[in-house]
Amino acid sequence: GAVVSQHPSRVICKSGTSVKIECRSLDFQATTMFWYRQFPKQSLMLMATSNEGSKATYEQGVEKDKFLINHASLTLSTLTVTSAHPEDSSFYICSAGTPLRGIQYFGAGTRLSVL
Amino acid sequence: GQQLNQSPQSMFIQEGEDVSMNCTSSSIFNTWLWYKQDPGEGPVLLIALYKAGELTSNGRLTAQFGITRKDSFLNISASIPSDVGIYFCAGQGGKSTFGDGTTLTVKP
Repeated sequence: GAVVSQHPSRVICKSGTSVKIECRSLDFQATTMFWYRQFPKQSLMLMATSNEGSKATYEQGVEKDKFLINHASLTLSTLTVTSAHPEDSSFYICSAGTPLRGIQYFGAGTRLSVL
Repeated sequence: GQQLNQSPQSMFIQEGEDVSMNCTSSSIFNTWLWYKQDPGEGPVLLIALYKAGELTSNGRLTAQFGITRKDSFLNISASIPSDVGIYFCAGQGGKSTFGDGTTLTVKP
């Protein structure tokens, strides 16, 4: 299957700092990437849909100024958690939609811990 | 919006047993997907289904795309300890919609 690389896999930061998470499609061009948040033992919660060259579409209840998304190229999307607080601690997962039928392939996730 | 009902929510089985889980929706989907998520990892695609009635296997896994295009099931035969994890179904019809997951525990 297609390969999606997500970095870093784990980050610990102090409250008030910003954290950037990268998502790369390694062997295909992804016009659309997705960012999810997952709480322990819960399902994937879609945060936003990132389209190359245009503004991301955020789901209801997700603060766009808090979670900045940039999709600057067909292989890279970034999520920046600005002024992180302990309640932002979570598992963040990206996925990229393949040209073939739009099937999503997921990154390995980023565990964010805000102290 | 579109919603998927995935069941069961969790399963505790003995090694060697067969497993069955399913997803239903009030909406029609063009594609059904099944993913598995190991702890601390992202979901991995197991099986993709593209046609109503399609039955597809991947090793010990078998999945079917319902005739009505509103449901799908996943079967795992002769379960082994490494089958533990969370299984998600996803329906695609423009936008992807994910089920809430089935957590599988396999006792050796």
